[in-house]
Amino acid sequence: DTGVSQNPRHKITKRGQNVTFRCDPISEHNRLYWYRQTLGQGPEFLTYFQNEAQLEKSRLLSDRFSAERPKGSFSTLEIQRTEQGDSAMYLCASSLGVEQYFGPGTRLTVT
Amino acid sequence: AQTVTQSQPEMSVQEAETVTLSCTYDTSESDYYLFWYKQPPSRQMILVIRQEAYKQQNATENRFSVNFQKAAKSFSLKISDSQLGDAAMYFCAYRRHTDKLIFGTGTRLQVFP
Repeated sequence: DTGVSQNPRHKITKRGQNVTFRCDPISEHNRLYWYRQTLGQGPEFLTYFQNEAQLEKSRLLSDRFSAERPKGSFSTLEIQRTEQGDSAMYLCASSLGVEQYFGPGTRLTVT
Repeated sequence: AQTVTQSQPEMSVQEAETVTLSCTYDTSESDYYLFWYKQPPSRQMILVIRQEAYKQQNATENRFSVNFQKAAKSFSLKISDSQLGDAAMYFCAYRRHTDKLIFGTGTRLQVFP
């Protein structure tokens, strides 16, 4: 039973570039969540999918952010025209029931 | 809107001793779940313990137990017989059904030998 995986684990990019992160949930988990965590803070919700449908988006998710979950399996989170304020850990979690299982995260640094 | 508050930014405990981490939350819902997650340095978030709001009995998982006070909207975590491996950030979180998790700001726990 493999856990939630995220790639890449680290990403350094220059301001203005686009970046894309991938999350592979636990097999058969129908819900997939994206969170953002800045230093010293708890994770903040960004968006979530049930199967391939994106059911909720946070106001934190500006127009530069887009997420997809084609075929209800893996998910991608894209950030366009990155800004220094986008520097954070991006966490993915999946669930089938009450509990959410987290991946190791992708740490984004925007220079 | 639901909120979760952790008022202790840092706590410390001696190995083998007991420590309690505090959490309060605000909600108008009657049916929800509460969780404690552990995040070791540079490692992923793992679930420590969960509590269903409809259950009066406090949850227990080995050395970890909670004190759930629904009327007071309080949900503290007690760690007994603390071990060096318990050192981590601990996050309290709230969730309705299959909804998103709402986290507190965390408590950094240090364990001294």
